[in-house]
Amino acid sequence: DAKTTQPNSMESNEEEPVHLPCNHSTISGTDYIHWYRQLPSQGPEYVIHGLTSNVNNRMASMAIAEDRKSSTLILHRATLRDAAVYYCILSYPLTQGGSEKLVFGKGTKLTVNP
Amino acid sequence: DTGVSQNPRHKITKRGQNVTFRCDPISEHNRLYWYRQTLGQGPEFLTYFQNEAQLEKSRLLSDRFSAERPKGSFSTLEIQRTEQGDSAMYLCASSLATTSGGQYFGPGTRLTVT
Repeated sequence: DAKTTQPNSMESNEEEPVHLPCNHSTISGTDYIHWYRQLPSQGPEYVIHGLTSNVNNRMASMAIAEDRKSSTLILHRATLRDAAVYYCILSYPLTQGGSEKLVFGKGTKLTVNP
Repeated sequence: DTGVSQNPRHKITKRGQNVTFRCDPISEHNRLYWYRQTLGQGPEFLTYFQNEAQLEKSRLLSDRFSAERPKGSFSTLEIQRTEQGDSAMYLCASSLATTSGGQYFGPGTRLTVT
């Protein structure tokens, strides 16, 4: 399984942007980059995913480096409800010979200060 | 349909007893996954189904564990002869069989084996 490296923890202030980094230097051409987050006492929540291009949705944006060896999850204005553990995960689809399972690391614990 | 549901939310059992958990996925989702999460760790993949077929099982899924999805809708996870090491949060997720979607998690069932 491809590995990702994330900082153990980060802090931000409410209403400021947050940039959560992820390194994945061994990424293969078919790996999608996924971000999930887990709020305290809840199941993980899908945030965003992409392959090569930067992506945006209502929750966040993801910037992918040109060589795809790193990515950054961007929360445009952090709120207290964004305090969670954020996981960066690589996977490639079953249809391309991969697996649908998600391999979670320890993630980045984001603290948002009021 | 508001999301993935799991029952029960909490289960306390004595070592050696059998337990069964149920997961109801989002209705149009044909893939269903089981994960296990212990305190301070990210979720670990156990198994997944596409419709009623069990397509992948982790080596974590010992002979005491069995999962079914008989009609391609809800799924059950049974643990026989529970051990204290089985104490964990058991998470279910569902998704559509496309490359463009994420996995949507339920709230989990917390198992405590005494």
